[in-house]
Amino acid sequence: GENVGLHLPTLSVQEGDNSIINCAYSNSASDYFIWYKQESGKGPQFIIDIRSNMDKRQGQRVTVLLNKTVKHLSLQIAATQPGDSAVYFCAENDSGAGSYQLTFGKGTKLSVIP
Amino acid sequence: DVKVTQSSRYLVKRTGEKVFLECVQDMDHENMFWYRQDPGLGLRLIYFSYDVKMKEKGDIPEGYSVSREKKERFSLILESASTNQTSMYLCASSSGLMAGGNSPLHFGNGTRLTVT
Repeated sequence: GENVGLHLPTLSVQEGDNSIINCAYSNSASDYFIWYKQESGKGPQFIIDIRSNMDKRQGQRVTVLLNKTVKHLSLQIAATQPGDSAVYFCAENDSGAGSYQLTFGKGTKLSVIP
Repeated sequence: DVKVTQSSRYLVKRTGEKVFLECVQDMDHENMFWYRQDPGLGLRLIYFSYDVKMKEKGDIPEGYSVSREKKERFSLILESASTNQTSMYLCASSSGLMAGGNSPLHFGNGTRLTVT
């Protein structure tokens, strides 16, 4: 939404630098994690996902790292571009609980400085 | 690409009105969801449906109901709109048994509802 970025942690990055966005999750039984990107005025858009049997997964310019020991997830964006400016959400799912639901983090606002 | 379409981008309704928010997806997904998004609170699940005519309450179902008469369409109903239901409403869909297990959620662009 237009004002989804209010009250959120903000990360400012120079264009061309790498960005690292962090997320702490709460449920040690969660076994599937997703990163979403939400631009102003749009719905969240899927970026990349990872299952708990992996600790790293790479996509195009993005890498997700999972540390189950400390329940931490991070999204790395290489060579950050102005179009990467958005709010980024992590989400977790405990598929073993038969859950259809994703639990979302509050989000981090990424601002790219040209 | 999956397309989730919400019929209205902006709606303004009066307190006490019955409000219908419509959502259609074109990928034959079994699961459909309604979330609301508020600053500082993130995305909260209102209701979801894993099959036609099936529905399950999410975290904040009070004041809302849903209808899923056809697989591609999931409607959110505010029986008597109140000002605290002013929010951004997001519809999503996914395939497979579980939202996170087999496929991620795909979201529409949202309906911003203002209740005056």
